[in-house]
Amino acid sequence: NAGVTQTPKFRILKIGQSMTLQCTQDMNHNYMYWYRQDPGMGLKLIYYSVGAGITDKGEVPNGYNVSRSTTEDFPLRLELAAPSQTSVYFCASSSGTANQPQHFGDGTRLSIL
Amino acid sequence: GDSVTQMEGPVTLSEEAFLTINCTYTATGYPSLFWYVQYPGEGLQLLLKATKADDKGSNKGFEATYRKETTSFHLEKGSVQVSDSAVYFCALSDLWYNQGGKLIFGQGTELSVKP
Repeated sequence: NAGVTQTPKFRILKIGQSMTLQCTQDMNHNYMYWYRQDPGMGLKLIYYSVGAGITDKGEVPNGYNVSRSTTEDFPLRLELAAPSQTSVYFCASSSGTANQPQHFGDGTRLSIL
Repeated sequence: GDSVTQMEGPVTLSEEAFLTINCTYTATGYPSLFWYVQYPGEGLQLLLKATKADDKGSNKGFEATYRKETTSFHLEKGSVQVSDSAVYFCALSDLWYNQGGKLIFGQGTELSVKP
């Protein structure tokens, strides 16, 4: 019963470095999402995808890139990491209908120093 | 645009106390409403949902009723336990005007239950 799996769980980056946060789901969901959660705040949508090969920007896409080559995987790329990107990142997936919930991974805690 | 507003936390209660966490929303269309819970160090889990006006969602002793007239979806529990300590998020999804099933979240309310 894996659900949504995110790796790594923790990471420290230096300013200017790049990295990819991995997300995979085994529920055959077409819709996938990346959120960031800052302390005391709700979740902000970074990017989302409604199917393989289709991605779109969310509320806070600057500094990030995504790709969706398969239904299962939805990696998030940080280029030129900045301190403002220090956050907890959550990946989620859903079947895409309004009354069906999103399923979340356990998150990646990222610090940029 | 669509938005969700929750009461500010943290909320501190004694075990067996009654819990209410207020949530109000604004939406253009006909949203579905959700409560998610986040335990320390974990991702969000769906707690309950309601998909149309007057629906009541319930799970694990928690309840919330979708009130269209007051645009509210308040979370209640009659007797909280220490294990209910977590952050609670109210959220909406409005497919009519919001392609992709995106969720709009409130800022979260931290609940701490003391023995």
